[in-house]
Amino acid sequence: DVKVTQSSRYLVKRTGEKVFLECVQDMDHENMFWYRQDPGLGLRLIYFSYDVKMKEKGDIPEGYSVSREKKERFSLILESASTNQTSMYLCASRDSNSYNEQFFGPGTRLTVL
Amino acid sequence: AQSVAQPEDQVNVAEGNPLTVKCTYSVSGNPYLFWYVQYPNRGLQFLLKYITGDNLVKGSYGFEAEFNKSQTSFHLKKPSALVSDSALYFCAVSGYMDTGRRALTFGSGTRLQVQP
Repeated sequence: DVKVTQSSRYLVKRTGEKVFLECVQDMDHENMFWYRQDPGLGLRLIYFSYDVKMKEKGDIPEGYSVSREKKERFSLILESASTNQTSMYLCASRDSNSYNEQFFGPGTRLTVL
Repeated sequence: AQSVAQPEDQVNVAEGNPLTVKCTYSVSGNPYLFWYVQYPNRGLQFLLKYITGDNLVKGSYGFEAEFNKSQTSFHLKKPSALVSDSALYFCAVSGYMDTGRRALTFGSGTRLQVQP
């Protein structure tokens, strides 16, 4: 069974802290994605990676960075967390074929106090 | 840039009745269209997709969707709703970003409530 896992289901951090969200997939997928999900706004793409060490900005990259040192792992970094980054963060992966579906992790609910 | 509209925040339907969740899209070129479902406290699960071919596509759990190019719509349907279908549904379109790579753009989601 294919699987995308995220390091934490719930996370509480303080304003100004550096936050790491980790995502691991076991499907040998080339593409990995980070989204944030907010009520009434759906999912918005933060960053995606189409290969190791390769990344592209999505629709809302401000305040975030990413790292992909290994094919199976894609990290989202909040350099200095702010309260407006309180959200649900979803990781997804997909093979190189853009008309195949993405597989999603369970999500990390981040609260920044 | 591509966009997706889900005009209804919530759809209520009685168990056993047919259901429709609406989606319209805007994208350059041929659209790749997807529906995902999110059950409480879980990630998104793929339901079905339209890439090319027959305008009526069938997916998981008895769901189907009809692609209508002239109306730029991709409505999700099911002939007979179950209480267990209650969830949050997202429509998405795959379009080209400025970099030339494809990425999904999601709608705002529609909450489906099926009453027993």
